[in-house]
Amino acid sequence: ETGVTQSPTHLIKTRGQQVTLRCSSQSGHNTVSWYQQALGQGPQFIFQYYREEENGRGNFPPRFSGLQFPNYSSELNVNALELDDSALYLCASSSRGDLAKNIQYFGAGTRLSVL
Amino acid sequence: DQQVKQNSPSLSVQEGRISILNCDYTNSMFDYFLWYKKYPAEGPTFLISISSIKDKNEDGRFTVFLNKSAKHLSLHIVPSQPGDSAVYFCAASARGGSGNTGKLIFGQGTTLQVKP
Repeated sequence: ETGVTQSPTHLIKTRGQQVTLRCSSQSGHNTVSWYQQALGQGPQFIFQYYREEENGRGNFPPRFSGLQFPNYSSELNVNALELDDSALYLCASSSRGDLAKNIQYFGAGTRLSVL
Repeated sequence: DQQVKQNSPSLSVQEGRISILNCDYTNSMFDYFLWYKKYPAEGPTFLISISSIKDKNEDGRFTVFLNKSAKHLSLHIVPSQPGDSAVYFCAASARGGSGNTGKLIFGQGTTLQVKP
């Protein structure tokens, strides 16, 4: 059973550019959540997708958007990158049973640097 | 507004002794609390959780205590082992209208070092 995988592992962009981060959910998981972890901070909830629909959103502007595909993999898109978007982006997947216990399984993350 | 706080950025203990990691929260709507462990270059890994209807949950060497009146929880690791050295995050969740939202609110993390 493969776990949650994210790509790329590292990315460097310049201010104003757009970026797409990818996540493959753990087998059997139909819910995916994205988190942003700034240096020295805990992860912050961006949004969650369930069956290809957004199912909850944190306090992030609309330039943060996402997609979930029929195979439950997911993308996080960020437009008009700002310096403060530099962070580790974590994807987490879960089944509905896991979610009932609030358990999410995290990938290793994508480290985004905005210059 | 930091709803979940871990006020100790780091903790160092001797192997075999008890490690106690603390977490405070402000939102009385939180009904589920979790601890995650994170090694470098890996994603956070679920460790143990507790529902707000309980005050203690134990799993092997790990025990989580919840004091609702003080809005405080703690994770006890006994005995501590060098492999426990990692960053520990406290997280909380509030039930939404249609069940668990899956939105976890994390603290800033505490780096635990267990010395051999």
